[in-house]
Amino acid sequence: GNSVTQMEGPVTLSEEAFLTINCTYTATGYPSLFWYVQYPGEGLQLLLKATKADDKGSNKGFEATYRKETTSFHLEKGSVQVSDSAVYFCALSDATGANSKLTFGKGITLSVRP
Amino acid sequence: NAGVMQNPRHLVRRRGQEARLRCSPMKGHSHVYWYRQLPEEGLKFMVYLQKENIIDESGMPKERFSAEFPKEGPSILRIQQVVRGDSAAYFCASSPGQVADTQYFGPGTRLTVL
Repeated sequence: GNSVTQMEGPVTLSEEAFLTINCTYTATGYPSLFWYVQYPGEGLQLLLKATKADDKGSNKGFEATYRKETTSFHLEKGSVQVSDSAVYFCALSDATGANSKLTFGKGITLSVRP
Repeated sequence: NAGVMQNPRHLVRRRGQEARLRCSPMKGHSHVYWYRQLPEEGLKFMVYLQKENIIDESGMPKERFSAEFPKEGPSILRIQQVVRGDSAAYFCASSPGQVADTQYFGPGTRLTVL
């Protein structure tokens, strides 16, 4: 079956530090890949996505590249801000027909210090 | 355009009672997904519905849990005879329905079973 593995957390960084959050996946087909962010007390918001190999998703300074050869979708940001403190989830959708149910990793908590 | 709405935001039930969680999808969205987030874990898929149809309930516990998405009104996730292990955050997401569509999440309902 499908699965998503994220690096263990939590992660604490100083403002303006470089961020990498690792994500690898296992899927039977050719999934779409997503990063969602969850701020305290809120639901999940889509951060970025990529639908095929070598695609790069980007948003708000965050980037992730769909690497089929290493089955990875690592999230990066060159300079984090305090406002980036949240929980980050990597997910995949191995869509069958219109059923795009998501398989999530466990999530990782990022704390950014001023 | 209002986002996905869920109510109540917080729900407290005693063991053996029933819990009803409601989800109103975004305007124009006819596909609804329910996910459960247990403490310290990622989200797990429960059920996928279209109007008046359950398409995929492979993630639903076999007993006590049911879901519906009637022609009119919100989608309902119903948990009968709740137990402490049902305590979790329940998230609803909606999409327009095309393959690999982005899912838009509601703020969640946090169920606590005493």
